[in-house]
Amino acid sequence: GENVEQHPSTLSVQEGDSAVIKCTYSDSASNYFPWYKQELGKGPQLIIDIRSNVGEKKDQRIAVTLNKTAKHFSLHITETQPEDSAVYFCAASISNFGNEKLTFGTGTRLTIIP
Amino acid sequence: KAGVTQTPRYLIKTRGQQVTLSCSPISGHRSVSWYQQTPGQGLQFLFEYFSETQRNKGNFPGRFSGRQFSNSRSEMNVSTLELGDSALYLCASSHGTGPLVIEETQYFGPGTRLLVL
Repeated sequence: GENVEQHPSTLSVQEGDSAVIKCTYSDSASNYFPWYKQELGKGPQLIIDIRSNVGEKKDQRIAVTLNKTAKHFSLHITETQPEDSAVYFCAASISNFGNEKLTFGTGTRLTIIP
Repeated sequence: KAGVTQTPRYLIKTRGQQVTLSCSPISGHRSVSWYQQTPGQGLQFLFEYFSETQRNKGNFPGRFSGRQFSNSRSEMNVSTLELGDSALYLCASSHGTGPLVIEETQYFGPGTRLLVL
């Protein structure tokens, strides 16, 4: 099946603390896992992605880890700032008989408390 | 470089009508994908166009259709609108020419918010 589950749906974190969002996917053939940030009134923006041949990737305060065996991947944001407040979506690539698409998680609303 | 633009930004229609939404990709991008975003179903892939051809497709009924022009601009059309079609419709563009298209960075527009009454 094509399913991506994302938890938690809402997350409140004190400014300066870390935030972790987790996703699980069902298709063992998925190879690409992007994370998007969506601010109010805007479209999603890619913040980091990871491919199946890599276990971890970091970009400044943002990191993503991937466990292909367990079929789950996580987004880690350290030293959170007010501008990190947004809705975050994970996604997994699905390729089915040549038809390719991204399947998205249901989103996590992250609120940074000053 | 200008980002992805979508018009109109807001639209109100009534049940049974049809609607056409427009998307202009980033200059040089040849792939355009469309997504529907609702509170209940989240972000769902509609279809992807490349070189004026539908290359990938999601699981939406035939009332949802699209097309792409030679300048890569794309339109999507929804016929016989239903209340459940109320959503934010997002367009995303990418180069579209890599060996693994699905792994290319997609750049989203701000969306068109459609309300069906």
